[in-house]
Parts: sequence; structure tokens; C-alpha cells
Amino acid sequence: VQVVESGGGLVQPGGSLRLSCLASGFTFWSNHMHWVRQAPGKGLEYVAGITSNGDKRIYADSVKGKFTVSRDNSKNTLDLQMSSLRTEDTAVYYCVKEGAGNWKPFDYWGQGTLVTVSS
Amino acid sequence: ETVLTQSPGTLSLSPGERATLSCRASQSVYSSYLAWYQQRPGQAPRLLIYGASSRATGIPDRFSGGGSGTDFTLTIGRLEPEDFAVYYCQYYGTSPQTFGQGTKVEI
Repeated sequence: VQVVESGGGLVQPGGSLRLSCLASGFTFWSNHMHWVRQAPGKGLEYVAGITSNGDKRIYADSVKGKFTVSRDNSKNTLDLQMSSLRTEDTAVYYCVKEGAGNWKPFDYWGQGTLVTVSS
Repeated sequence: ETVLTQSPGTLSLSPGERATLSCRASQSVYSSYLAWYQQRPGQAPRLLIYGASSRATGIPDRFSGGGSGTDFTLTIGRLEPEDFAVYYCQYYGTSPQTFGQGTKVEI
């Protein structure tokens, strides 16, 4: 099982960025997927999630209306479109696989991609 | 929203000692949906315990979890050097899922 994030980098406040996650080694279409972030020196914060078939999305209040999560089951990819970025969005963003089925723990995490929001 | 509060913030111990970490929920939760994760410096978190007491694949048996209702614990029987890390609890029976703020186990 592998999940590999890409797309992080430096962006100015108010800007946009799109993160991607490429999954392999499991039946991607059968697992709910999520994004979790970690600000420098801080704890884990849930960001967004999407069901296995993409019909339902969930967001943390802190990103609702700014971030959009999507997936392409034909390409085994998970994306996070981020807009109206603020300095407090600076963090390592992890792509996370939920265990098979519903209401399962997060059994595989990517290595993360760093997003830095700064002028 | 269920808030998870972990204590202590930092636990200072020596290799070979026993560590007991606490996770308290702001309301009663189903133990079936309580997990613990370990995060070593510079690494991604990894799943240790799910369903409050079941070890994830490949996790040594010195790690054990327990509890119910609002109070849960993670116990590390005898600390190995690689166990010095930050530990997070998570409640995944709600959407969005919630994490505790973490407990750092240091030498």
C-alpha cells in the first residue's frame, strides 16, 4: 500500500494550491479517503474526506468553503483544491487511507507534502 | 462535536519503564471507534490501536489499549528506544473525525 502526496509549496496569502495524492497497492475505489494536516510543531487536524464513490464530502469547519476534496477512481488519485489560503493553513498535508468499509481507522498515511503560506 | 483531551502533555520516562497515556472524551463514545496513533520525529503517524484495544498489523504486544465511555488509555509495557514519540488518540465514529492534542513520550 502506498499513498504519495504532491503539489505542496510556497504560496502567497489569498492564493490557491492544488494537492494530489496517488494511491497504489489497494483497491482505491473501495476506500474512503481523507486529508489531515499538521502545522509546524502542532498536532493533527482533520481537514477533509470523501467517500469511496465520491458521493459525499466532509470538511472541517476551518476549511469549509475554501477547500474542495475530489477523487478520480479511474486514476487512483485524491485531490485537495485549496483557495483563499491564509498563514494559518501552513502545514504538512497528509493523504490518508481509511480502512475498508465504514467508520474505520486511518490505516495508511502518506509522508506528507508541505504547504507554506507566506508573503 | 466530541473533544478528546489527552494527558499528560509530556511523559518523561526511561527505556524499560511502563508508560500510561490517557485520552478523555467530552461525551461518552463508542469504544469501537477509538484509535491510537504513534508519530516518530519526522515521520507520518501510524496506526497502533483501533477499537480501543485491538492492535494494528505488526504492532508489538507491549502496546495495549483499554477503556470505555469517556476514559481510554494506551499502555506501553516496557519502553523501547523507538517508542519515544508523540501519541494521538482519535475518535472515528463521527464525521469529521477528531484527534486529541497528543502526548509526547520523551526520555
